[in-house]
Amino acid sequence: EPEVTQTPSHQVTQMGQEVILRCVPISNHLYFYWYRQILGQKVEFLVSFYNNEISEKSEIFDDQFSVERPDGSNFTLKIRSTKLEDSAMYFCASRKGAFRTNYGYTFGSGTRLTVV
Amino acid sequence: QKEVEQDPGPLSVPEGAIVSLNCTYSNSAFQYFMWYRQYSRKGPELLMYTYSSGNKEDGRFTAQVDKSSKYISLFIRDSQPSDSATYLCAMSGLSNSGYALNFGKGTSLLVTP
Repeated sequence: EPEVTQTPSHQVTQMGQEVILRCVPISNHLYFYWYRQILGQKVEFLVSFYNNEISEKSEIFDDQFSVERPDGSNFTLKIRSTKLEDSAMYFCASRKGAFRTNYGYTFGSGTRLTVV
Repeated sequence: QKEVEQDPGPLSVPEGAIVSLNCTYSNSAFQYFMWYRQYSRKGPELLMYTYSSGNKEDGRFTAQVDKSSKYISLFIRDSQPSDSATYLCAMSGLSNSGYALNFGKGTSLLVTP
């Protein structure tokens, strides 16, 4: 069964450093997302991406965050200057088509980001 | 008021029991309702989805949506130890152009043999 692949599974970084989290969505999916889950809290939406542009973003997704689909297969989340509160599990997700006909997001297994 | 409320549990039931999980929400624009299962340190896995109100059944799982009460439920029949996981409700609506999901906090379920 097709799956969303995320790398690395765990990343430790020092506060103030830049990190790039990588995702390979399912190949025929058109909509891409990043969510995060701070330990013990709910999964939170960060950003959605369609047709090579951001379609929606949350208040969390400030100027420190950016997304890119550099080569038609990878989908990346960059945090420019990490803060301790950025420590969380980051999930990439993709969706095939129109929401009305295909609601199903497929989530990756996540990247655990630890900022020290 | 939080948009999506879900009792975090934990909920412990014996094998074979019927499990009832539920969420309430405040945003009347939500039209798409989903249940995800999440194992420890893994990504959410879609179990059920429902558009607007009504019931949907898939094997041992039944999802119900009552939009008038802003209440959704997931029932698991003949529960198995392998059903032990955290169950997340999620919902979205036309107000979200990217159809971002709004999650509940998740209910931790333990099914004991």
